[in-house]
Amino acid sequence: EADIYQTPRYLVIGTGKKITLECSQTMGHDKMYWYQQDPGMELHLIHYSYGVNSTEKGDLSSESTVSRIRTEHFPLTLESARPSHTSQYLCASSPRAGGLYGELFFGEGSRLTVL
Amino acid sequence: KNQVEQSPQSLIILEGKNCTLQCNYTVSPFSNLRWYKQDTGRGPVSLTIMTFSENTKSNGRYTATLDADTKQSSLHITASQLSDSASYICVVSDRGSTLGRLYFGRGTQLTVWP
Repeated sequence: EADIYQTPRYLVIGTGKKITLECSQTMGHDKMYWYQQDPGMELHLIHYSYGVNSTEKGDLSSESTVSRIRTEHFPLTLESARPSHTSQYLCASSPRAGGLYGELFFGEGSRLTVL
Repeated sequence: KNQVEQSPQSLIILEGKNCTLQCNYTVSPFSNLRWYKQDTGRGPVSLTIMTFSENTKSNGRYTATLDADTKQSSLHITASQLSDSASYICVVSDRGSTLGRLYFGRGTQLTVWP
């Protein structure tokens, strides 16, 4: 069982609110990722990090931002949530070995609904 | 264009029966292919990884195959159980540059009925 945790699991908020989705892993993995997943669709990479103080945007344009101040922590922030941000957000990590994309260990996801 | 296509989109089988899920990809260059299982409301979990030189790999009741020439993979589930009900996602990694990329299929939603 992977040691990667996301909070909150479910969040319903109003338009314009600022939200932070938390992600922590206890495996000491250098690489961490945020994916967005909508029903019946493939996962889309929105942010990734090679290590502390390293963050990059992914393939899918996102208005969210991330930070990596500590190895184990990779929070995602939306400054002003909109209904279009309604989605499932999955955090993942992978070890250094196996190239940039070794096996991904996923958290259980944060389901965000913006009214 | 690098793509991963999975079929069928959804599948319903009776408990105890076998089934096979398909994954076709156009990703090039090819590094590896993973099958993930995603239970409802949970994150995906890796079932197996296939590299270029591997044809078949088993993980309990799950057997994955890879044909690198035709760029096809399958996941065979033997003697299905209710707990096999989940989405099965095919993910292909390329060898392009040091960054590499992952290409995700949309998944096959499997439902096992008692």
